[in-house]
Amino acid sequence: GAVVSQHPSWVICKSGTSVKIECRSLDFQATTMFWYRQFPKQSLMLMATSNEGSKATYEQGVEKDKFLINHASLTLSTLTVTSAHPEDSSFYICSAPTGGGYEQYFGPGTRLTVT
Amino acid sequence: AQSVTQPDIHITVSEGASLELRCNYSYGATPYLFWYVQSPGQGLQLLLKYFSGDTLVQGIKGFEAEFKRSQSSFNLRKPSVHWSDAAEYFCAVGVPGTGNQFYFGTGTSLTVIP
Repeated sequence: GAVVSQHPSWVICKSGTSVKIECRSLDFQATTMFWYRQFPKQSLMLMATSNEGSKATYEQGVEKDKFLINHASLTLSTLTVTSAHPEDSSFYICSAPTGGGYEQYFGPGTRLTVT
Repeated sequence: AQSVTQPDIHITVSEGASLELRCNYSYGATPYLFWYVQSPGQGLQLLLKYFSGDTLVQGIKGFEAEFKRSQSSFNLRKPSVHWSDAAEYFCAVGVPGTGNQFYFGTGTSLTVIP
């Protein structure tokens, strides 16, 4: 089956610094990828849609200048959390559609802790 | 707007007992329906999916779900729960024509008592 990887799996950074999270589709190409955020004991909330070759589409309430998304190739999307603050600490998950587009394949997630 | 409701935030069952997790959705047509399981600190694992056809779908780990159009429901069932089934379960709706966007329910946390 299709595999989506994320790197790193966990990261700790200091407040005010930036951190980049990578999402890769390992055995298929994805012109679109999605980024989700999940707080402890809560559901996944769609943050943005990453589009290869064009700007990302952000959900309402998500700061585009804070969460920079770059879809550099058909297999790679990156999420950069800029000037991170403790409230940005969360579990970030990416996904990519494949096949006929009916399904999403999810990455294993990245645990971000901002101290 | 699309929405997914999982009425049960937390469910506790005894090992060997049957299980049913509820999921209701709000959408004008039949969406694509999914159930995922998530263990603590882990990503999502697909249990089963429904696109069309037979309304009773079989998934992995002995799970099944039934799509009921009249009730806008897609409840997950398992006849005999194992201790390893303890996890968080998410129902998700994929809306055709929206660029494959998924909408997730709030999740149901399952505890299994030995």
